[in-house]
Amino acid sequence: KNQVEQSPQSLIILEGKNCTLQCNYTVSPFSNLRWYKQDTGRGPVSLTIMTFSENTKSNGRYTATLDADTKQSSLHITASQLSDSASYICVVSGDQGAQKLVFGQGTRLTINP
Amino acid sequence: KAGVTQTPRYLIKTRGQQVTLSCSPISGHRSVSWYQQTPGQGLQFLFEYFSETQRNKGNFPGRFSGRQFSNSRSEMNVSTLELGDSALYLCASSKGQFPMGTQYFGPGTRLLVL
Repeated sequence: KNQVEQSPQSLIILEGKNCTLQCNYTVSPFSNLRWYKQDTGRGPVSLTIMTFSENTKSNGRYTATLDADTKQSSLHITASQLSDSASYICVVSGDQGAQKLVFGQGTRLTINP
Repeated sequence: KAGVTQTPRYLIKTRGQQVTLSCSPISGHRSVSWYQQTPGQGLQFLFEYFSETQRNKGNFPGRFSGRQFSNSRSEMNVSTLELGDSALYLCASSKGQFPMGTQYFGPGTRLLVL
């Protein structure tokens, strides 16, 4: 069964600290993996899109890694800011396009001052 | 450049009614996809339209339908509403056909079914 599991479910850290969110998937064949940030009450915003051949992709203080062999991805946030408080969602696409689109349940990140 | 807009933002309906939600994509974007988001199930893909044709469909019953107009604007319709249809409905647009390329989401329509 195609699944995307994210951990932890929730995370609280102090402003300025770094953190890493995990995404493990079983979707096969694999097309691409996306990370989204969703603020409360708003639509998701795309952070990164990674295909099979990409190991690392950065977007400002956000760095995503992908290990296609172990089917694992991580999102590392450097020098966290209060505005990073949001849900982070991992989405994996199979080779049949949106018909094999599998969403993780998200990690709820809270940054405290 | 204006972002993706969705109307209405909030909606309250009763069981058995039907509802139509609207989505205006970013100018120049031809792909519009729809999602349902609930606390229990998370984000789930409903369907995607590209150049007025439904190209991809998720695992939702036939009560959920949509269409896309020649100007790429899209509507989603839910008939015979059930309590479980209460959710945030999001649409997203992209230049190329989903799921390739960056998707831009609208703010969503929050539907409450009583």
